[in-house]
Amino acid sequence: AQSVTQPDIHITVSEGASLELRCNYSYGATPYLFWYVQSPGQGLQLLLKYFSGDTLVQGIKGFEAEFKRSQSSFNLRKPSVHWSDAAEYFCAVVPNTGGFKTIFGAGTRLFVKA
Amino acid sequence: DTAVSQTPKYLVTQMGNDKSIKCEQNLGHDTMYWYKQDSKKFLKIMFSYNNKELIINETVPNRFSPKSPDKAHLNLHINSLELGDSAVYFCASSSSDRYNEQFFGPGTRLTVL
Repeated sequence: AQSVTQPDIHITVSEGASLELRCNYSYGATPYLFWYVQSPGQGLQLLLKYFSGDTLVQGIKGFEAEFKRSQSSFNLRKPSVHWSDAAEYFCAVVPNTGGFKTIFGAGTRLFVKA
Repeated sequence: DTAVSQTPKYLVTQMGNDKSIKCEQNLGHDTMYWYKQDSKKFLKIMFSYNNKELIINETVPNRFSPKSPDKAHLNLHINSLELGDSAVYFCASSSSDRYNEQFFGPGTRLTVL
């Protein structure tokens, strides 16, 4: 079955430390890949996306993600976390065979400590 | 300019009532969605319309009825509200030629008492 797994329910990092949020997907072929962020009380906002080409993609707010086909992973990284990055992060995939359905992971809650 | 807007932002109502949530997008997108987010933040697709046609209809009680009067609007009507309907409902839109990159509204927090 098609699925998206975010293994970490929540992560706590110190301000200024680096961050990596994990995402694995299960599909027959490489889907389109996304990371969204949801700040408290807000809707989701797109951070970055991967369709094809360079496997390291840059996004907004200093985030980047790397697509690794061999590991079916699309991990999100940031070299130095700011307190304002505290939020819920969702990995999402869309099958590249057409269709409109986006599959979201369960989310990872990021806490940032001073 | 607000890209995807929803009204109301908060909705508190009694069990058994009927209520509606409205969504509008000014991005020129051809596809719109309704999602339900539960208390654990799990995001579940409910419905999707492409050019006013229903294209995704997940396993949702038939008390929920979406309506898309035009490509820029998608409404959600809920009949006979139940306690389990309490959640945050998000509207989103996308362009079908942009790989489903979605733009979300701010959400409507529905509380059923």
